[in-house]
Amino acid sequence: ETGVTQSPTHLIKTRGQQVTLRCSSQSGHNTVSWYQQALGQGPQFIFQYYREEENGRGNFPPRFSGLQFPNYSSELNVNALELDDSALYLCASSSALAGASTDTQYFGPGTRLTVL
Amino acid sequence: DAKTTQPTSMDCAEGRAANLPCNHSTISGNEYVYWYRQIHSQGPQYIIHGLKNNETNEMASLIITEDRKSSTLILPHATLRDTAVYYCIVRDSSYKLIFGSGTRLLVRP
Repeated sequence: ETGVTQSPTHLIKTRGQQVTLRCSSQSGHNTVSWYQQALGQGPQFIFQYYREEENGRGNFPPRFSGLQFPNYSSELNVNALELDDSALYLCASSSALAGASTDTQYFGPGTRLTVL
Repeated sequence: DAKTTQPTSMDCAEGRAANLPCNHSTISGNEYVYWYRQIHSQGPQYIIHGLKNNETNEMASLIITEDRKSSTLILPHATLRDTAVYYCIVRDSSYKLIFGSGTRLLVRP
């Protein structure tokens, strides 16, 4: 069974640029959630995708957007990068129906984004 | 906001049990308690979850008080590799996990 994978591992961008991060869900999982973790803090929920549609969203501006593909993999896109976007971006996949409190989320290793 | 309160840091000796407490006094009847841990710069790792009954798996045990207002994660024989930040999360019926600051556990040789 393959776990959650993310690419790239590390990324350096400059202010104003755009970035795309990728996530492959664990085998058998149909739901993907994205989190942002700033240095020294706990992860913060960005949004979740289920059946290729955004299922819920945290307190993040519209320049954070995403996609989910038929194979359940997902992308996180961030436009007009700001210095504060520097963080570890985590993807988590789960297998139950979206919104179920018992669908355990399994995390990938994350992508470390640095904005200069 | 996170619905849990955890000590900022703890330590224990290698080979001894590590008992990590968590307070969740406002927990509702249908909310689960989840535990994750995060080793430096890695993604959070799922440990265990429960609703009312105590739970045990190959990694840990979860003890939930009868009133469900607090719980304890027990690592029965801590090793150096268990040094990590441990997050206690109360999960409602929504889609998201709300992480607090967690407990930084240091396992001493």
